[in-house]
Amino acid sequence: ILNVEQSPQSLHVQEGDSTNFTCSFPSSNFYALHWYRWETAKSPEALFVMTLNGDEKKKGRISATLNTKEGYSYLYIKGSQPEDSATYLCASYSGGGADGLTFGKGTHLIIQP
Amino acid sequence: GAVVSQHPSWVICKSGTSVKIECRSLDFQATTMFWYRQFPKQSLMLMATSNEGSKATYEQGVEKDKFLINHASLTLSTLTVTSAHPEDSSFYICSARAFLGTSGSRETQYFGPGTRLLVL
Repeated sequence: ILNVEQSPQSLHVQEGDSTNFTCSFPSSNFYALHWYRWETAKSPEALFVMTLNGDEKKKGRISATLNTKEGYSYLYIKGSQPEDSATYLCASYSGGGADGLTFGKGTHLIIQP
Repeated sequence: GAVVSQHPSWVICKSGTSVKIECRSLDFQATTMFWYRQFPKQSLMLMATSNEGSKATYEQGVEKDKFLINHASLTLSTLTVTSAHPEDSSFYICSARAFLGTSGSRETQYFGPGTRLLVL
């Protein structure tokens, strides 16, 4: 069973500041890492699927990097805005006989105006 | 594109009754659908994987006779919680993917908004 960890658990950031948080996962038998953004009462929104060591992906002010050798991914948000407030989830492919994702508990981000 | 709906969003039921939750892919054909649940302060936990036209594959510890999954079409999967009890109260959420098998794990899963179940 995979163990996907996210830190910090929650984060308060001033509007306009940049921020980042971490997802760690077992580096052995790595297949793919997924990032989602989840606002309350909405569906989790897919941000990135990362597969290759050294991958760096960007979507607007949000970007992510991947290190499969050491088992971590960083999510960066540049110039935080109030609409960035959400829970950010990372998930890794479960492996074995399962075909679904193993999720971390998420980082709850609050942007303060 | 890639919208997944889930119905109902909230359900309260009496202990012993059965509850059906529907998950639909609105604008794509979902070859594979997944069901997860989340208990308070915990992560989303995979319950089962279903491929259209096949029996669902359940994760260890998830009772297949209690959580009936049907994926009879490429746009609809249902989860039925049979004889629900208070310990089944949780947040249930589905996701859908257009690809089969493990190679599809590099493809995005699209999630519904979830269903909160409260069993009294």
